[in-house]
This record gives sequence, structure tokens and C-alpha cells, in this order.
Amino acid sequence: GAVVSQHPSWVICKSGTSVKIECRSLDFQATTMFWYRQFPKQSLMLMATSNEGSKATYEQGVEKDKFLINHASLTLSTLTVTSAHPEDSSFYICSARWDRGLTGELFFGEGSRLTVL
Amino acid sequence: GEDVEQSLFLSVREGDSSVINCTYTDSSSTYLYWYKQEPGAGLQLLTYIFSNMDMKQDQRLTVLLNKKDKHLSLRIADTQTGDSAIYFCAEKKAGAGSYQLTFGKGTKLSVIP
Repeated sequence: GAVVSQHPSWVICKSGTSVKIECRSLDFQATTMFWYRQFPKQSLMLMATSNEGSKATYEQGVEKDKFLINHASLTLSTLTVTSAHPEDSSFYICSARWDRGLTGELFFGEGSRLTVL
Repeated sequence: GEDVEQSLFLSVREGDSSVINCTYTDSSSTYLYWYKQEPGAGLQLLTYIFSNMDMKQDQRLTVLLNKKDKHLSLRIADTQTGDSAIYFCAEKKAGAGSYQLTFGKGTKLSVIP
């Protein structure tokens, strides 16, 4: 099956620093990837749609200058949390769309847990 | 309602059937999905159902869809300890961007040996 890998799995950083999270589709190309944020006991919230070679589309209420998304290749999207603060601590999950069959199945990464001190 | 609704917790004994319920928001949603999330991991697609179906069976999994009530359920037969996880239902709303899904908060299934 298709595999999506995220790195790092967990990261701890100091307030004010920037953190980059990578999302890679290992055995398929993904023109579209999605970034989600998950709080404890909460649903996944879609943050943005990442399109290869073009600007990301952000959901309402998500600061694009805060959460920088770059989708420079068909297998890699990155999310950079700039000037991180404790309220940015969360579980970030990416998914990649594989155009297979009718549903264009989404494959999810393992998630990256960010803790900002 | 605006949100996809699920019960937060479900506890069953090993070998029994589990039924996880979900109420979604958009009667014109085209696809409805069930995802499984094990601790510290990402989401794994379990199964999906197209909106013109009312039932889909896949081995131990049975999905029932009631479009009139916007109700979706996932039945796991012969539940095993390895089924302990959080289960999310998700809908792809009509008019939403490709594969933009709206998720419920997840139901934590605990299987008692």
C-alpha cells in the first residue's frame, strides 16, 4: 500500500523558534497534500491544502504567515510553524491524495507531535 | 448541525460486535469514510461508502448509511483487542475541494479481553 511518512515524529522547541515538519509520499506521487491539526479529544481540523508547484490554500482562520507550506515536489510537502508559541503545541498530520480509482484515496502520515515550551 | 457528531467512547468485550455511530452534516455528501487511528499514529482508511449505497460489507466491517437521517454506522464483528483505537467518520461534502474531508471528533473504542 501507499505510504506517507512524516518527520519528525515529535519535536520540542523553545517559544519563538521555527519548526519544519516534512510530509513525504514514499511510493507514489501526490500533487495534492493536506495538513491537519489535532487537539486532544478533538477532531482533525483541516489547516490547508498543499498543491505542488503553487501556493497553498488555507482554511478560514489559519494564518498563512504563521504556518508556511511549501510543496516543491510531487513527493514532499513541508509545514513550517514560524515563531512557535505554546498554543501551537499540537499533533500535526498530513495526508496525500493518490489518484487511484474513483475515490482518490487519501493516505495519512503518522503525525508529528509538536511541543512548544 | 455544523459538526460531524460521534460518541466519544465505546467499550466492548472481546468477541462481541462493536457499533460506532456517526451523524454527518450534508445530505448531499458524496462519500463517507471511516478511519482508524492507533495511539500516536496517523489515520488509516478502513472503508468508505458512496452516497448511493445503503450498505457495504468488507470482511468484519459493515457500514450502514441512512441518508434520510444523515446517519452512518460502522459495525465491527468479532471485535479483537487489536481493534482498540479511535475511529473517525468523515464526509466529503458536495462542493468541497477535492478530498477535503470533514471529520468527527472520533470514537475511542476500548476492547476488554
